[in-house]
Amino acid sequence: QVTLRESGPALVKPTQTLTLTCTFSGFSLNTSDMRVSWIRQPPGKALEWLARIDWNDHKVYSTSLETRLTISKDTSKNQVVFTMTKLDPVDTATYYCARTIVNFSPYYYYMDVWGRGTTVTVSS
Amino acid sequence: SYDLTQPPSVSVSPGQTASITCSGDKLGNKYVNWYQQKPGQSPLLVIFHDTKRPSGIPERFSGSNSGNTATLTISGTQALDEADYYCQAWDNSNGVFGGGTKLTVL
Repeated sequence: QVTLRESGPALVKPTQTLTLTCTFSGFSLNTSDMRVSWIRQPPGKALEWLARIDWNDHKVYSTSLETRLTISKDTSKNQVVFTMTKLDPVDTATYYCARTIVNFSPYYYYMDVWGRGTTVTVSS
Repeated sequence: SYDLTQPPSVSVSPGQTASITCSGDKLGNKYVNWYQQKPGQSPLLVIFHDTKRPSGIPERFSGSNSGNTATLTISGTQALDEADYYCQAWDNSNGVFGGGTKLTVL
């Protein structure tokens, strides 16, 4: 059974850095068809894709936020760590991690299993 | 940046067919995924690669994608299908979501 769980602080002050951890089980980030993505959802608003890390440590960031984002993985711990700098109240949201599966022929990928999400409030 | 446009809301009577559209420039050249989200829950993948259903998703969910529009169709809509639905595609490896459509079954 594939599961993902997000963890991190519930409250962060403006200008601070947010660090979230995605701990997963049921799959390995060592195989070429596996990635992990981060997505967020402000209260009452739409989903927004943030970043992705691939099995070979290749990283992709949202073009609108890439200067503030970092994603990394610890394969031995089955964890992916996500950081966002310079937090602002507009970053208040539920943050999700999701397993992202790749099919190579034809080439396509999708987020098939999501964590429950962790709610982060940015406020002084 | 690449944009996906969805209608904010769609209403359907129980047992009828609901269609939710997702529009984007040459969207038919990309693969589209659809997610269902009920209040207080995480998104659930209901369609991937335009037309494929994950294991456990009822056959009444189907998808299509051509030209500039992808469509999620729910046949024989049930009350439990009431939820927000999001289309999603990849643009130069960046994930893009539509603004979401609230499906009301009444």
